[in-house]
Amino acid sequence: DQQVKQNSPSLSVQEGRISILNCDYTNSMFDYFLWYKKYPAEGPTFLISISSIKDKNEDGRFTVFLNKSAKHLSLHIVPSQPGDSAVYFCAASGVNFGNEKLTFGTGTRLTIIP
Amino acid sequence: DTGVSQNPRHKITKRGQNVTFRCDPISEHNRLYWYRQTLGQGPEFLTYFQNEAQLEKSRLLSDRFSAERPKGSFSTLEIQRTEQGDSAMYLCASSLGRFTDTQYFGPGTRLTVL
Repeated sequence: DQQVKQNSPSLSVQEGRISILNCDYTNSMFDYFLWYKKYPAEGPTFLISISSIKDKNEDGRFTVFLNKSAKHLSLHIVPSQPGDSAVYFCAASGVNFGNEKLTFGTGTRLTIIP
Repeated sequence: DTGVSQNPRHKITKRGQNVTFRCDPISEHNRLYWYRQTLGQGPEFLTYFQNEAQLEKSRLLSDRFSAERPKGSFSTLEIQRTEQGDSAMYLCASSLGRFTDTQYFGPGTRLTVL
């Protein structure tokens, strides 16, 4: 039972354009969402998070949008840079329900084309 | 502060052998998590500690797996009688332990069981 889904295994975007990565979840008990970036042979690196009381959070080139009614979140990267090429994981937890463990999606491999 | 460290980074073992991994969290982080990642999947939760107390174990953690966190500092994950299906990346993460505190991951230990 995949509670967090990233339906696009890969995405290619031209350098300088916007990258949009999508994530869907099924568990209504999730109330905290995170995006991690992962390079080969390294652990996931935290990028940005959002609580369910918000619908948008921005940090530099990265913005996360949350649509609770649709159980959908997205990560926007603007402008995309070659160093953004990596695998991006969406993760969710239910912190207000005492469930701090992260449930991850299967990841989207982003390739930025120079 | 050098972040979360894990040792060894790589481990190759024969089926049936025991292996032990170590994780050193970021100092002052009360929570420590273990995850496992297999090819093409996102990390999956195994277990976590609040200081020295093991608070939750996933059903993925069979009785061949044991984790400890003596004195609430570093943690060890032991796998007894390894099987080929145990081959994976084992990731450790730590956080301050407040509800929405970010989990910071180490580089992982890649286990190969021959």
